[in-house]
Amino acid sequence: DGGITQSPKYLFRKEGQNVTLSCEQNLNHDAMYWYRQDPGQGLRLIYYSQIVNDFQKGDIAEGYSVSREKKESFPLTVTSAQKNPTAFYLCASSMDRGGYEQYFGPGTRLTVT
Amino acid sequence: AQKVTQAQTEISVVEKEDVTLDCVYETRDTTYYLFWYKQPPSGELVFLIRRNSFDEQNEISGRYSWNFQKSTSSFNFTITASQVVDSAVYFCALSENSGGSNYKLTFGKGTLLTVNP
Repeated sequence: DGGITQSPKYLFRKEGQNVTLSCEQNLNHDAMYWYRQDPGQGLRLIYYSQIVNDFQKGDIAEGYSVSREKKESFPLTVTSAQKNPTAFYLCASSMDRGGYEQYFGPGTRLTVT
Repeated sequence: AQKVTQAQTEISVVEKEDVTLDCVYETRDTTYYLFWYKQPPSGELVFLIRRNSFDEQNEISGRYSWNFQKSTSSFNFTITASQVVDSAVYFCALSENSGGSNYKLTFGKGTLLTVNP
């Protein structure tokens, strides 16, 4: 089945630790995205990538880092510099950045205490 | 000002009622795209529809229908004969050109729809 996988579903970390969220797609999409969702809010763009080895900051990139070494994979690292890391993180992909619909993974709920 | 406004934060209906979710957008672009996504309690966003700015034809898909009116910058979503399984948060989103051939997707804050049996 084609789709996007994110792991794990739930993640718990202590404050001060970096944590990496996984995102893999087998849709052969060029563009991939990371969003953050807080309760009662819409989605806010953290980072996006249009092509392997290239990525751009979104609206709220501070405290996050990404890599795009393979077309299928776009992991997100939440660093200790992120002030409020507890949130629901969603990964998405689309054919390219030309206004196509984005398809989303199941999300990772990160809790930092 | 918000680019995508979903004024209804929460809506509660009884099964079989029709319900309309409102979406008003703001853009200066002539070419743009509008979307609706469904987010059930499981959390994953499910793509429902994409509409480009040049196509104002209304669309119907089963119990779902969409009304796109450029004159009022609205892209409303109607569920006919609602069912409990329709309970979810629904997001409207706008995709605008952000430079070159790149488009940026902006989401509204969503409308929580609860369909009671």
